[in-house]
Amino acid sequence: AQSVTQLGSHVSVSEGALVLLRCNYSSSVPPYLFWYVQYPNQGLQLLLKYTTGATLVKGINGFEAEFKKSETSFHLTKPSAHMSDAAEYFCAVTINTGGFKTIFGAGTRLFVKA
Amino acid sequence: DAMVIQNPRYQVTQFGKPVTLSCSQTLNHNVMYWYQQKSSQAPKLLFHYYDKDFNNEADTPDNFQSRRPNTSFCFLDIRSPGLGDAAMYLCATRKTRASTDTQYFGPGTRLTVL
Repeated sequence: AQSVTQLGSHVSVSEGALVLLRCNYSSSVPPYLFWYVQYPNQGLQLLLKYTTGATLVKGINGFEAEFKKSETSFHLTKPSAHMSDAAEYFCAVTINTGGFKTIFGAGTRLFVKA
Repeated sequence: DAMVIQNPRYQVTQFGKPVTLSCSQTLNHNVMYWYQQKSSQAPKLLFHYYDKDFNNEADTPDNFQSRRPNTSFCFLDIRSPGLGDAAMYLCATRKTRASTDTQYFGPGTRLTVL
């Protein structure tokens, strides 16, 4: 069965500091991995995704993530946090069996301090 | 330009009074999803349509029904809302069955049950 674990329900960083949001997955087949961001009272917006190819994926708003198969991880990073990055971030996985279902992690709320 | 539209954005209903939430899309995507998201939790899939083919999650209560009269529209009907059904309801679309396709989310409808 597939699952996603996000380490840390809350992460707080100072403006300008490195952002690191952790995601580990479990999948018996090659996974497709996604990061979504959700601002208050909004839907989810795709930040980036890994399907195949280059394991370092760049997304919108300066975020990137690296797929590490040996560590079953897909951590999200941004070199310098902005106040506007404060939001909820969800890691998600789907599998290549034509299935429709996406498994979401529990989410990590990012706080950015001035 | 809005691609997945949900109406209304905020809905207040009384305990036991039926309510319908609406979702429309301009993407002409084959797959449409309904998720329930409670505060500080991950979205939980209720059901999805692939074209007219309806797929219910095993743990979705019978109180929740859905209709998809055409490609563009999908409705979520809650027959007898309880206090525990208060949540954000998210509609999402996906172009095809392919797991690599991105899901596009609407802004959500926040349901309050009095």
